[in-house]
Amino acid sequence: AQSVTQPDIHITVSEGASLELRCNYSYGATPYLFWYVQSPGQGLQLLLKYFSGDTLVQGIKGFEAEFKRSQSSFNLRKPSVHWSDAAEYFCAVGANTGKLIFGQGTTLQVKP
Amino acid sequence: EAQVTQNPRYLITVTGKKLTVTCSQNMNHEYMSWYRQDPGLGLRQIYYSMNVEVTDKGDVPEGYKVSRKEKRNFPLILESPSPNQTSLYFCASRGTGATSNQPQHFGDGTRLSIL
Repeated sequence: AQSVTQPDIHITVSEGASLELRCNYSYGATPYLFWYVQSPGQGLQLLLKYFSGDTLVQGIKGFEAEFKRSQSSFNLRKPSVHWSDAAEYFCAVGANTGKLIFGQGTTLQVKP
Repeated sequence: EAQVTQNPRYLITVTGKKLTVTCSQNMNHEYMSWYRQDPGLGLRQIYYSMNVEVTDKGDVPEGYKVSRKEKRNFPLILESPSPNQTSLYFCASRGTGATSNQPQHFGDGTRLSIL
């Protein structure tokens, strides 16, 4: 079955520290992968996407993600976290019906 | 500005009182979808529409209806709301064809509380 797992429900990092949010997927074909961010009271904003080609993709706000087929992973990274990055982050895989299958989400807290 | 607009943003109502959440997009997108977001479950698809007059069930369609009479609008209808439909709802849209699998654009969400 198609699924996405985000193993970390809640992560706390200090401002300026590096960040890695984990995402593992289960999907039979070549996946289309996305990371979205949701700030409190807001909708979902696309951070980055992977369709094909270079496995390291760059996104907005200084985020990047690496697709590793052998590990079925698409982890999100940022070298230096800012307080404004505190939000909930969702990894998703695009199914062939067009729907997005979302992970459970990871809440990021940033300590000053 | 390209956007997906949902109304209302917040609604508190009672069990059994029919309600409609509207969704409109100005990007001429063929594909539209409704999701609900619940803590610990992420977002789950309720219904989707590939084009006008073409709708299909997602993963959690029970208790919901949709219609797609116009390309830009995709209302979500709760004929007889129940407390287990208390949730945060998102409408999304994207193009199809050459833009298939392009990212979906999301509205700002509608928080429904069913008492």
